[in-house]
Amino acid sequence: QVTLKESGPALVKPTQTLTVTCTFSGFSLSSPGVRVAWVRQPPGKALEWLARFDYDGSRFYSTSLKTRLTISKDTSKNQVVLTLTNTDPADTATYFCTRMIDSGWAFDVWGRGTMVTVS
Amino acid sequence: QSALTQPASVSGSPGQSTTVSCTGSFDDIGKYNLVSWYQQHPGEAPKLLIYDVLKRPSGVSDRFSGSKSGNTASLTISGLQADDEAHYYCCSYAGLSTVVFGGGTKLTVL
Repeated sequence: QVTLKESGPALVKPTQTLTVTCTFSGFSLSSPGVRVAWVRQPPGKALEWLARFDYDGSRFYSTSLKTRLTISKDTSKNQVVLTLTNTDPADTATYFCTRMIDSGWAFDVWGRGTMVTVS
Repeated sequence: QSALTQPASVSGSPGQSTTVSCTGSFDDIGKYNLVSWYQQHPGEAPKLLIYDVLKRPSGVSDRFSGSKSGNTASLTISGLQADDEAHYYCCSYAGLSTVVFGGGTKLTVL
């Protein structure tokens, strides 16, 4: 069974760096075709794609946030980590970790999300 | 890239059908057959309903169907049920290894 679980601080001060961790099970990020992404959702607002990490180490970022985002993996711990620098209250959101389908651009398994407030 | 445009709300009665539209541009929906749809109940994570415009993942009811015409994608829900009341989001590949989501549509089952 594929599961993903997000963790991170509930509160971050403006200008600080936000770090959220996705711990997954049921698949290997080393297997060909596997990709993990981060999506966020401000309270009462729409979803926003942030970044993607591929099995081969390739990384892709949202155009609007790429200067502030870094996505990485810890293979030994089955984790994908997202950092967002120079935070602002507008970064307050639930941050979701999601696995992507084998090909194409869709997100088939999601974690429950972790809510981070920047204040 | 700009967010895709969805109606803020739609409604329908139980048993009826309803359609949610998602309008983008040639650079996203128009160029690529990589549109997906998600259902989100309050306080829950999104659930994948449709990918690659019209494909359904295993386990998703065939009451949900997707289509595309030009720069607009559509999600049709037939035989509306009370549990279909939720927010629905479209998503499209937008080139350069990025995706864009729609603003979301609130479906009310009357």
